[in-house]
Amino acid sequence: DVKVTQSSRYLVKRTGEKVFLECVQDMDHENMFWYRQDPGLGLRLIYFSYDVKMKEKGDIPEGYSVSREKKERFSLILESASTNQTSMYLCASSFVLWTYEQYFGPGTRLTVT
Amino acid sequence: LAKTTQPISMDSYEGQEVNITCSHNNIATNDYITWYQQFPSQGPRFIIQGYKTKVTNEVASLFIPADRKSSTLSLPRVSLSDTAVYYCLVGENSGNTPLVFGKGTRLSVIA
Repeated sequence: DVKVTQSSRYLVKRTGEKVFLECVQDMDHENMFWYRQDPGLGLRLIYFSYDVKMKEKGDIPEGYSVSREKKERFSLILESASTNQTSMYLCASSFVLWTYEQYFGPGTRLTVT
Repeated sequence: LAKTTQPISMDSYEGQEVNITCSHNNIATNDYITWYQQFPSQGPRFIIQGYKTKVTNEVASLFIPADRKSSTLSLPRVSLSDTAVYYCLVGENSGNTPLVFGKGTRLSVIA
């Protein structure tokens, strides 16, 4: 069974803290994605990666960075957390880049106070 | 990117068949139709994908008429655990644009 896991389901951080969100997939997928989901705004793509050590900006990369040192792991980093980064963060992976068949993790609900 | 229109919400009783229709009048030749399900506080889950006619899997059926300007997701005999938001997405399966999730249809199943 396809599986994408995320390091935390719920996280509370203070403004200015550096935050790491980790995602691991066990499907040997080349492509991995980070989205955030906010009420009324749908899912928005933050960053994606199509290979180890490769990364590309999505629609809203400001305030975020990513790291992909191993094929199965894709990390999202909030360099200095701000309250407007309070959101649900979703990781996904896929066999083909931009396929409409992506597999999502359970999400991390991050609250920045 | 084809724009989709689906009902904001639907209610159903347990055991009934539920049909959720999605309109996509400007669907392109290479576009596929994909449906996702999302439970509260969880990530979306891929349910089914099709190009034309009918596709069925263990979860749902997808009906696509010949003109492909709409599609219907059919959930047989829903249960309370089918309460979720259902998203219809239309686009090339290996194109160069990321997924775009609209507002979806909030299905509430009532006992």
